[in-house]
Amino acid sequence: ELKVEQNPLFLSMQEGKNYTIYCNYSTTSDRLYWYRQDPGKSLESLFVLLSNGAVKQEGRLMASLDTKARLSTLHITAAVHDLSATYFCAVTVGGGSQGNLIFGKGTKLSVKP
Amino acid sequence: DTGVSQNPRHKITKRGQNVTFRCDPISEHNRLYWYRQTLGQGPEFLTYFQNEAQLEKSRLLSDRFSAERPKGSFSTLEIQRTEQGDSAMYLCASSSRDRPYEQYFGPGTRLTVT
Repeated sequence: ELKVEQNPLFLSMQEGKNYTIYCNYSTTSDRLYWYRQDPGKSLESLFVLLSNGAVKQEGRLMASLDTKARLSTLHITAAVHDLSATYFCAVTVGGGSQGNLIFGKGTKLSVKP
Repeated sequence: DTGVSQNPRHKITKRGQNVTFRCDPISEHNRLYWYRQTLGQGPEFLTYFQNEAQLEKSRLLSDRFSAERPKGSFSTLEIQRTEQGDSAMYLCASSSRDRPYEQYFGPGTRLTVT
């Protein structure tokens, strides 16, 4: 059974600091996703990582994928309050592009001034 | 671009009642997914449609749950004889034929069973 583990589950940061969220998954998967969720809201897609060594960046967020280690990281640079949210990683199961997502429990990020 | 829409946004029901939720995917998206999210957890996959065909169901989808997508456009998720454990956010997502791996999520329907 495919399992996805994120750590930390809770992260309190100061503005301007850097930090990394880790996502491990238990078996081979086609691709890795990062989503953001604000309280009471739905999920917003941040990144889709398709291959080993893939790196994507958007603003202060950078995601990378190491398929051999079954590890993805979400790096936050110079955090600002607007980044406060819960971040989920997810992987697909099954061959091809069925797309059924298995999510981690999420990392609740709080950025304080 | 209207995005994925879900109705109702909130539903409060008494235990034992039946409820039905609707999801309208992004126009032309042929794939539609249902997920359930409980407080403090990540979404859990329930079922998936490609056009009108229901191709996969999670073991989480008990006999009390049924989903349909009769014309390959909107979908409904019905829960019969609701239980308190059914209280959750029910999320719908859709993706296109060209980029099936990019799922766009709707705002969700929050169900509270009292």
